[in-house]
Amino acid sequence: AQTVTQSQPEMSVQEAETVTLSCTYDTSESDYYLFWYKQPPSRQMILVIRQEAYKQQNATENRFSVNFQKAAKSFSLKISDSQLGDAAMYFCAYRSALNYGQNFVFGPGTRLSVLP
Amino acid sequence: DSGVTQTPKHLITATGQRVTLRCSPRSGDLSVYWYQQSLDQGLQFLIHYYNGEERAKGNILERFSAQQFPDLHSELNLSSLELGDSALYFCASSVATGFSTEAFFGQGTRLTVV
Repeated sequence: AQTVTQSQPEMSVQEAETVTLSCTYDTSESDYYLFWYKQPPSRQMILVIRQEAYKQQNATENRFSVNFQKAAKSFSLKISDSQLGDAAMYFCAYRSALNYGQNFVFGPGTRLSVLP
Repeated sequence: DSGVTQTPKHLITATGQRVTLRCSPRSGDLSVYWYQQSLDQGLQFLIHYYNGEERAKGNILERFSAQQFPDLHSELNLSSLELGDSALYFCASSVATGFSTEAFFGQGTRLTVV
């Protein structure tokens, strides 16, 4: 079974600075998707960014980018120019692409604080 | 708005009671997932339905059950409720694999057992 690990339970960053959240996963599959979700205090789950494993290029969405290292099974999220609104719980997630109706596997989350 | 609708948003009930949480997935999504999130905790996967069939079970208690109906909406039934069942229950939906699609989450049902 696949597992997702986030080794940083909590992190903090100064406003306008850059922070990187770590995620590693374990799988024997070659085709899969990876996601970062944000959960602000409202507790709504919001997709931040997604990465297809077959793509070598790292995904980017505005101030959010990933460093996808397939061989190392690593998928870190970099937040540039951090804003107060980035304060949230961040979850890394994995999904197999092999068969229809595959489940999502979530990591335990990293709580990010943004300091003014 | 994710397109996933969960009702009710809030629910307060007494120990020993039974409740039903409802989820309407996005139009066209065949998969429905249920997650439990206790305060300041991660997402605990409960169960996954795909086009009416149970696909995967996580750490779901025997007191809990779920189903997905022909119109693809899903219900999560929680019975003999205990104080420890108080949590935020999320429903999420997605299309079939083959697309690089994420899970779309509802707003959650906040269950309080007193």
